Amino acid sequence: AQSVTQPDIHITVSEGASLELRCNYSYGATPYLFWYVQSPGQGLQLLLKYFSGDTLVQGIKGFEAEFKRSQSSFNLRKPSVHWSDAAEYFCAVDPIKAAGNKLTFGGGTRVLVKP
Amino acid sequence: EPEVTQTPSHQVTQMGQEVILRCVPISNHLYFYWYRQILGQKVEFLVSFYNNEISEKSEIFDDQFSVERPDGSNFTLKIRSTKLEDSAMYFCASSVRDYQETQYFGPGTRLLVL
Repeated sequence: AQSVTQPDIHITVSEGASLELRCNYSYGATPYLFWYVQSPGQGLQLLLKYFSGDTLVQGIKGFEAEFKRSQSSFNLRKPSVHWSDAAEYFCAVDPIKAAGNKLTFGGGTRVLVKP
Repeated sequence: EPEVTQTPSHQVTQMGQEVILRCVPISNHLYFYWYRQILGQKVEFLVSFYNNEISEKSEIFDDQFSVERPDGSNFTLKIRSTKLEDSAMYFCASSVRDYQETQYFGPGTRLLVL
């Protein structure tokens, strides 16, 4: 079945440590891929996106993600987290890759940052 | 930077009442969407809207739901007779018509049905 999976429901990381959030998708062809962040009480903010080309994508707030076709993955990373990175992170895909199509979201990973 | 706005931020209603959630998409965007997120669950697609018509809707989007673009700026979601299970955060999103589309989300309306 077509799906988006974020295997980690919660991750706790110390401030200054590195962070990696996993996202795997199950679609026949590579979809468009997105990472969104939802801070407490806030909406969904786009962090970065992958359509094609360079498999390492840079986003806002110091985040990057790497697309690996062989692993059907699009993992999000940050070298050094800040307390303000505490939030919920959602991977999303557009398998149709055309305007007006719905996004399918993973279940989210909640990130807690320890001082 | 342009952004999607939504009103109200919170709404409490009684079961069976009608609610209208409002969104102002980014001004040059042509595609509009509603998603919802029940507490503790995934963000789910409800409906997409283009050129004054529904483009796609999910099985959640039954006859109790409707969308409208009443003027050049607003995009609304109406729930005719709310149920307890309609309690959720409702997100509006918009995008330009582009072959590499990105959807931009509003801050959401938290709806609580009592």
